[in-house]
Amino acid sequence: NAGVTQTPKFQVLKTGQSMTLQCAQDMNHNSMYWYRQDPGMGLRLIYYSASEGTTDKGEVPNGYNVSRLNKREFSLRLESAAPSQTSVYFCASSITTGTNEKLFFGSGTQLSVL
Amino acid sequence: AQTVTQSQPEMSVQEAETVTLSCTYDTSESDYYLFWYKQPPSRQMILVIRQEAYKQQNATENRFSVNFQKAAKSFSLKISDSQLGDAAMYFCAYRSAKEGGGADGLTFGKGTHLIIQP
Repeated sequence: NAGVTQTPKFQVLKTGQSMTLQCAQDMNHNSMYWYRQDPGMGLRLIYYSASEGTTDKGEVPNGYNVSRLNKREFSLRLESAAPSQTSVYFCASSITTGTNEKLFFGSGTQLSVL
Repeated sequence: AQTVTQSQPEMSVQEAETVTLSCTYDTSESDYYLFWYKQPPSRQMILVIRQEAYKQQNATENRFSVNFQKAAKSFSLKISDSQLGDAAMYFCAYRSAKEGGGADGLTFGKGTHLIIQP
């Protein structure tokens, strides 16, 4: 029972480099999310996808792009990494209907931009 | 927009004692969900407890219980018989319950670091 799988777990980039964080869920969830976590800031929403084929900006979208490739996969891309993007990134998924819905989180990606 | 405030950056408690973590939120909605998540050093986000705003009864999960005061917009977490394994960051979170309103995920507080002293 994999749940939400994120890759990679750790990454070091140089300023200006690009990379894509991958996320996949095997629970047939409609909605998927990307959060970033910074010390003393809690988790802040970067982008979300309410259903396959749709994406929307969250609280802190600048410098990021996303792709909802299919129902299972939701990727986050940094086109030109900056030191301010050093953070821990979490992918999550959920069913948006029903009374027992909750978010399921991946294990996070520690990204350092030098 | 909704906001979630955790006013205690750090709390410390003796093992086997009881501790209460505070959370307040601001919303104009009447129906929503509130959550407490635990994040141990492993970084994994673990759901501790969930409360539906339309339910007056406070949620409980074993040693974890909440004090939900809807009028005061307060949602505190009580941990009884604290154990060393309870040491972690704890995040309070809000989610709209209106149709389509929860599609943008959870709004989190900044967290409380809980230390358990043996």
